[in-house]
Amino acid sequence: EPEVTQTPSHQVTQMGQEVILRCVPISNHLYFYWYRQILGQKVEFLVSFYNNEISEKSEIFDDQFSVERPDGSNFTLKIRSTKLEDSAMYFCASWRDRNQETQYFGPGTRLLVL
Amino acid sequence: AQTVTQSQPEMSVQEAETVTLSCTYDTSENNYYLFWYKQPPSRQMILVIRQEAYKQQNATENRFSVNFQKAAKSFSLKISDSQLGDTAMYFCAFIYTSGNQFYFGTGTSLTVIP
Repeated sequence: EPEVTQTPSHQVTQMGQEVILRCVPISNHLYFYWYRQILGQKVEFLVSFYNNEISEKSEIFDDQFSVERPDGSNFTLKIRSTKLEDSAMYFCASWRDRNQETQYFGPGTRLLVL
Repeated sequence: AQTVTQSQPEMSVQEAETVTLSCTYDTSENNYYLFWYKQPPSRQMILVIRQEAYKQQNATENRFSVNFQKAAKSFSLKISDSQLGDTAMYFCAFIYTSGNQFYFGTGTSLTVIP
């Protein structure tokens, strides 16, 4: 069965550095998402992406964050200047269409900002 | 504000026994779907069961069933005949029928004891 994949599985970075988290959604899916989960807290929505543009974003998704689908297969989340509070697990998800039963989630990237 | 509360951070159950994970949520809308997701260690979240809010009948999926109480905004998951492979983090979530984003709880870590 097709799966959403994410790389890297773990990333450690210094505060102020840029990071790019990568996701490969399921190939015929049209809707793409990023969520994050700070340790011990709930999974929170960051952004949704459809038809090559952001369709919805949360308050968390400020100017430090950006998303891109550069080549029709990858879906990336960039954090321009990381802060300590960006340390979290970041999940990518994709959805074929709104009639599909659920969004499909990747295994996550654990980001640690030092 | 939309919130999902899972009041049991950790639970354990003996193999072959039954366990119930609780979830309550808060929304003023009427049209939404409710979900339970399972996340095994170091793996992606996968759908366990889905419930349409407009349906009174509780969803079942093999050993998994829900007790959906719409007026009480309660959505508990019952796992019967627990198996070792059920050991995982379980997340309760909902999404509006016209929405993009999931609203998640903080999760319940379930351990099945042999």
